[in-house]
Amino acid sequence: SQQGEEDPQALSIQEGENATMNCSYKTSINNLQWYRQNSGRGLVHLILIRSNEREKHSGRLRVTLDTSKKSSSLLITASRAADTASYFCATDSQGAQKLVFGQGTRLTINP
Amino acid sequence: DVKVTQSSRYLVKRTGEKVFLECVQDMDHENMFWYRQDPGLGLRLIYFSYDVKMKEKGDIPEGYSVSREKKERFSLILESASTNQTSMYLCASSLMGLTYNEQFFGPGTRLTVL
Repeated sequence: SQQGEEDPQALSIQEGENATMNCSYKTSINNLQWYRQNSGRGLVHLILIRSNEREKHSGRLRVTLDTSKKSSSLLITASRAADTASYFCATDSQGAQKLVFGQGTRLTINP
Repeated sequence: DVKVTQSSRYLVKRTGEKVFLECVQDMDHENMFWYRQDPGLGLRLIYFSYDVKMKEKGDIPEGYSVSREKKERFSLILESASTNQTSMYLCASSLMGLTYNEQFFGPGTRLTVL
């Protein structure tokens, strides 16, 4: 069952611009994670935010979490061509050991 | 450096064949997972194992079985491959834990069933 829904499904921006992706979920969570997938490869973990946190930073990444709205956003600042990838949110809504992934946002950075 | 490896990047099989996909992790993780990824459907969990010889069905277990005889190895078996099992298969592992459950993924196996 897919709990996370990413928005938009696809995003195309110019290099140097900021990219924002959103994720909504339906049930309570302990944490929410964001992953990146380069074309034809496995997923790579980017950042985890716990349910008692509202914002977290890692390099050019900024994640926010609003548990009242059951939503999260991932902001990538000063985008680079290498940021071109699909981005997935994942929640632990089915118990701590499993993750439920959204369908992803496909981000294209144009040089 | 943590590592999850999968036996093949690309695999082509015929309908009705028995197919084995192997996954090995070197991080001493308790949990291992098999997902399939299809366009527009995201990642769907096929099976999950939280210990040697233990397994739990995911969202789409039909047509698949798994084996976990050793902690580091988790195999996905397609007993009789069908064309609708053409997909990207991703293996992942994670530590057993209550609050931090980051998953580490292998590079994926793109399986084509003819």
